[in-house]
Amino acid sequence: QSALTQPPSASGSPGQSVTISCTGTSSDVGGYNYVSWYQQHPGKAPKLMIYEVSKRPSGVPDRFSGSKSGNTASLTVSGLQAEDEADYYCSSYAGSNNPYVFGTGTKVTVL
Amino acid sequence: QVQLQESGPGLVKPSQTLSLTCTVSGGSISSGSYYWSWIRQPAGKGLEWIGRIYTSGSTNYNPSLKSRVTISVDTSKNQFSLKLSSVTAADTAVYYCARDPIDYGDYVGAFDIWGQGTMVTVSS
Repeated sequence: QSALTQPPSASGSPGQSVTISCTGTSSDVGGYNYVSWYQQHPGKAPKLMIYEVSKRPSGVPDRFSGSKSGNTASLTVSGLQAEDEADYYCSSYAGSNNPYVFGTGTKVTVL
Repeated sequence: QVQLQESGPGLVKPSQTLSLTCTVSGGSISSGSYYWSWIRQPAGKGLEWIGRIYTSGSTNYNPSLKSRVTISVDTSKNQFSLKLSSVTAADTAVYYCARDPIDYGDYVGAFDIWGQGTMVTVSS
């Protein structure tokens, strides 16, 4: 099972929006509505930001939104803030034989 | 508030077995509503899911690591453990344990609680 493909980097100015893609296959992203997104600051554990493609856990700002089309999921961060600068990883359920696969990760820079 | 804490040796020699334990506090590992996973991250690289265990002892493993991985659970201690055999330098990473909810209406298909991670270096 290959890692999901994400762009290595993305950036935006404060207040702007940035969208990160996560491309998989019909065996993972395209086959299940169990795509999640994680934010990771340096030296810290990942934090769940989006689950089931577009749902936000309690406490996550509504500036974070998720969507999916075919084999590609996306995370959009609107109204960028300095604290949004971090690495972001997607993950997808991929069936009972190998339940989870992660994306390659995207570093978001707030200019 | 459920918390997870990894523990174990920070240095393992090549060809030996890496052993880590994740202690669950603030909740029961036997609740039946969660799988319990291990995930690792080499320095400067991405996340890799290693495997998971249910309270019954049922396991799933990443096929790329399956031949070397064993995950077990000790409900009496509220812990689950990872053993990775025949390690090489490529197994050097931060190892995380994480909770994986299965109940409808919970954070299904995601890892909602993570430990802080523990660094394991494979070196002679």
